[in-house]
This record gives sequence, C-alpha cells and structure tokens, in this order.
Amino acid sequence: QQPVQSPQAVILREGEDAVINCSSSKALYSVHWYRQKHGEAPVFLMILLKGGEQKGHEKISASFNEKKQQSSLYLTASQLSYSGTYFCGTEETSGSRLTFGEGTQLTVNP
Amino acid sequence: DAGVIQSPRHEVTEMGQEVTLRCKPISGHNSLFWYRQTMMRGLELLIYFNNNVPIDDSGMPEDRFSAKMPNASFSTLKIQPSEPRDSAVYFCASSLLFPWYSAQYFGPGTRLLVL
Repeated sequence: QQPVQSPQAVILREGEDAVINCSSSKALYSVHWYRQKHGEAPVFLMILLKGGEQKGHEKISASFNEKKQQSSLYLTASQLSYSGTYFCGTEETSGSRLTFGEGTQLTVNP
Repeated sequence: DAGVIQSPRHEVTEMGQEVTLRCKPISGHNSLFWYRQTMMRGLELLIYFNNNVPIDDSGMPEDRFSAKMPNASFSTLKIQPSEPRDSAVYFCASSLLFPWYSAQYFGPGTRLLVL
C-alpha cells in the first residue's frame, strides 16, 4: 500500500522551516526518507524503525509514530541545497517490500 | 570508492526491440534493487536480490521483464520485447546489510525511451 505524503509541494525562503508528512492506512514497521534532486538519483537521508524514535541528519530530523502510522520529516533553517523531491518509503512488516510515496517537492528560494 | 554503476545512461530504441540494462553494485554490498521511475507511477521497486538470489520479484510488471544477478558484482534487467509504456528512468541500488535496515545507494539511472 503506497503511503500518502503531504504536502505535495512547498516553497520556502532560505532559513524557513518545513514539515513533510508521510502516513499509511496500515501498521508500519519502518519508514525511510530519501531526497532526489532534479535529474539525479535518490539519496538516502535516514531510516526509522518502529518505537517512535527520532533521528537527525544535519538540520533535518524525523519522527515515527507507529500508533498513528505516520512519520514526519522536519527541515529547520532551510538551505538552498535542501531543494528537491522528498520521498518516504514504508515497510509494513519486517522484510516486506519497501513502497515509496509520490514525493513532496520542496523549493527553497534565496 | 566508486558508487553504483549503471549502463547505458541513455537508451533510445524502437518498440519490439530487446533492451538490456546493466548494473554494478558497490563492492561488498549484498543486496541489489531495480527500480523504475515515471511521472505517472512514481518510484516503483521491480525486484531485489540478496546474496545474488532473487527475493521478491512481485513488482516486475509482466513477463517481458526479467532480471538476473549471475555474481555479486553484476546484474541485468532485460525487457523483451520493449513497448513505449516501458519508457522511464530505471535505477539500480545496492545496500550493505539486510535490505531494509541500511541505506540504499542508487546509481545514476538509465533513461529509456521506447519509440
């Protein structure tokens, strides 16, 4: 089952914060976050396993609420380099297929 | 270290022709994945291998698609015969550990256009 991401697109000014959400109608075992710049391959950001953990990567962090079957990606003090499409991938049970959402297009302007 | 290597980077072919995409994973990685990306369908996992063995091919669209991994350093994705709806960017990715608990490193992709 494909996870649902929101918003579909967001435009920021440099220095502003953003939150990208990823939700599923099914219980999740893990959530994966990737960023893809136009014309390039996706790049790994982080993996969150069930347990409500939160992780950080530079000024990008994420949380995973297994009870709500959702994850949120937090981008603080955005930089121009953060522009791209952010994908979440979800795993319903350990070892099951990883299914990606449709992506959230983030644009950071000067 | 070299990343995931894919070839060709671009492929233009005519409907009905056979297409073979190639991938060399990062040395030491034991899992390999083939993805397809289109505007309409997004990023789809086609098949993945663990220790050269196909684990899950349920994402392969139809019998026209086949994938092999004869050894730890090489994999192919073949489409025969190709159709215009196969036009997409095909990514190969590899990971170090059990598939979903470590980062997947994507290759640059092969942009396939079937006329």
